[in-house]
Formats: sequence, structure tokens, C-alpha cells
Amino acid sequence: TQLLEQSPQFLSIQEGENLTVYCNSSSVFSSLQWYRQEPGEGPVLLVTVVTGGEVKKLKRLTFQFGDARKDSSLHITAAQPGDTGLYLCAGSSNAGGTSYGKLTFGQGTILTVHP
Amino acid sequence: GAVVSQHPSRVICKSGTSVKIECRSLDFQATTMFWYRQFPKQSLMLMATSNEGSKATYEQGVEKDKFLINHASLTLSTLTVTSAHPEDSSFYICSAPRGGQTYGYTFGSGTRLTVV
Repeated sequence: TQLLEQSPQFLSIQEGENLTVYCNSSSVFSSLQWYRQEPGEGPVLLVTVVTGGEVKKLKRLTFQFGDARKDSSLHITAAQPGDTGLYLCAGSSNAGGTSYGKLTFGQGTILTVHP
Repeated sequence: GAVVSQHPSRVICKSGTSVKIECRSLDFQATTMFWYRQFPKQSLMLMATSNEGSKATYEQGVEKDKFLINHASLTLSTLTVTSAHPEDSSFYICSAPRGGQTYGYTFGSGTRLTVV
């Protein structure tokens, strides 16, 4: 069974601060995705990382995929109240040669950014 | 593109009744649909995987006779909660692979089920 350990579970910070969320596993994933979810809605894909060591930037968000494709991080610079939400990492392993498989979700990080 | 439309968004039903949740892929064909359950402030728990034209695969501990999944076409998958009880109250979400090489998944907007 593949597990993704996501930390921290809760994060409460002031506007303008930086933060990092981590996802770690002992398993190798073919890809890892980060999602943001607001209450009462489905998760929305932020980024997919596929290559070990890959770094992707999305405005103030920086995503890294570990060299061994077992871990990932999400760094937010100068957080804003609009960044508040549940952040989820999810790993995927190819199933039978298809380009997708079941997603293994981390426990989630509830981020609250105070004005 | 790659939108999954999920209905209803909220439903309240009486204990003992059944509720059907629909997920439609609007602009792509979803040969596979994943069904999740989510409790407040928690992550998503995979319940089952449905594949068009075949039986769904259920995760360990999920009652297949209680959570009936049908995937009769490439654009529609349904989850029916049969003989619902208050403990079935939860947020149910479907998801389908986006296709292509993005390896991403698109999620429905979720269904808040309350059993009274």
C-alpha cells in the first residue's frame, strides 16, 4: 500500500509570510499532483510534476518533485488571504501502461492566511 | 476543457431511502471514474473505481451492495447510496483522468449528502 505523508496538517499564518508544505513517501510515484480545495467544492489541480528533480512555478507557488520521485514540496511566497484553503498532494502510479492510475492522497494541509 | 459535472450538489434524504449521484464528463470521454468520500477537514478516501462497460472495483472496507456504481457510457458514471443511514452523510466526489500526458485528474464539484 502506497502512503503519502503530508505535513503540516494545519498552518495558520499572517499575510505576507512564506510557507512550505511537504509530502513524503517511501514509494516511487510516476507523477505527483497538487490540488487546492475550497469548502463545498471539488479539488482543483494546481500542478503536475512528472520528472525527478522537477521544479515548477505558478506565480507565488513553487512546486518541487524529489529526485527519487518519492517526495514533493509546495512553497508559497508572500501568502495572501486568498490562498486560504485545503491543499492536497496526490501521487499516481501508472497502471498497466496507461497514463494514469489510482491517486494516493496525502492527509491534506488546511492553510489559513490572516489579513 | 476536461470538465466533470456532478449532480446534485446537495441532497437531504430520509434514512432508509436511496440517493443517486451523477457525474458526467462534458467535453471528453471518461473511460474511468474514481469515486471518493471526504469527511470535514480531511483528505479524500477512494471508495471505488468504475470502468465503462465493466464492474466497478471497490476499495477494501467499502460495501459494494450499499454503494452501487454504474458506468454505462463513456460520459456518465453514477453512484447510488442504497438504504442510506445517517453515518453515510458525507461529501462525495468523482474524478476522471484528464487524458493526454498531463497526468492530472479533473474532479466534480462534489455532493453533500445529509441523511436524516
